[in-house]
Amino acid sequence: GESVGLHLPTLSVQEGDNSIINCAYSNSASDYFIWYKQESGKGPQFIIDIRSNMDKRQGQRVTVLLNKTVKHLSLQIAATQPGDSAVYFCAERRNNQGGKLIFGQGTELSVKP
Amino acid sequence: EPEVTQTPSHQVTQMGQEVILRCVPISNHLYFYWYRQILGQKVEFLVSFYNNEISEKSEIFDDQFSVERPDGSNFTLKIRSTKLEDSAMYFCASDREEGYNEQFFGPGTRLTVL
Repeated sequence: GESVGLHLPTLSVQEGDNSIINCAYSNSASDYFIWYKQESGKGPQFIIDIRSNMDKRQGQRVTVLLNKTVKHLSLQIAATQPGDSAVYFCAERRNNQGGKLIFGQGTELSVKP
Repeated sequence: EPEVTQTPSHQVTQMGQEVILRCVPISNHLYFYWYRQILGQKVEFLVSFYNNEISEKSEIFDDQFSVERPDGSNFTLKIRSTKLEDSAMYFCASDREEGYNEQFFGPGTRLTVL
């Protein structure tokens, strides 16, 4: 069935290293993608988004890459800090399906000092 | 910075009881959503609401669920007769508009059904 999913459930990195979190989606009609960060006991917090007419977008210390050919999305975090430890979700909006978000399973990022 | 707020932060109820979860979306937003997250799982869409009516609902959102915007600021989710499997975090979210823009989430209400 259609889904948005993540390759790895957990990722452990050393403080200062770069992190890459991956996401696969299966619906080619999806035209908008968002990465959310969720800290323990809190709601999802927007990190960065990208439209399907782009393949890369950069924010502060974060970059999202979109490969529509293989339906793959990634989030790169530069110089990972302990405060980046959280669960990261990718989410998609599908063209002509209103505002609802379809979330992936989540990757837990753990940053070692 | 404006934010979505939710009350209560934690609700404990007995199976079969009714619960109402409350949300105050960001004031100039027009689109409102409820999502839920069962412990350790992904966030799941429940319902979207615009112009005082439901725009879309998922298969989870059966006739035990209802939503309401009773005044200009609150947005509520009611579960008429709670079941054990309704135990989850419930998140409210709001949007200025549909489309290519950030959806803001509240901190969530943890619902525990005993």
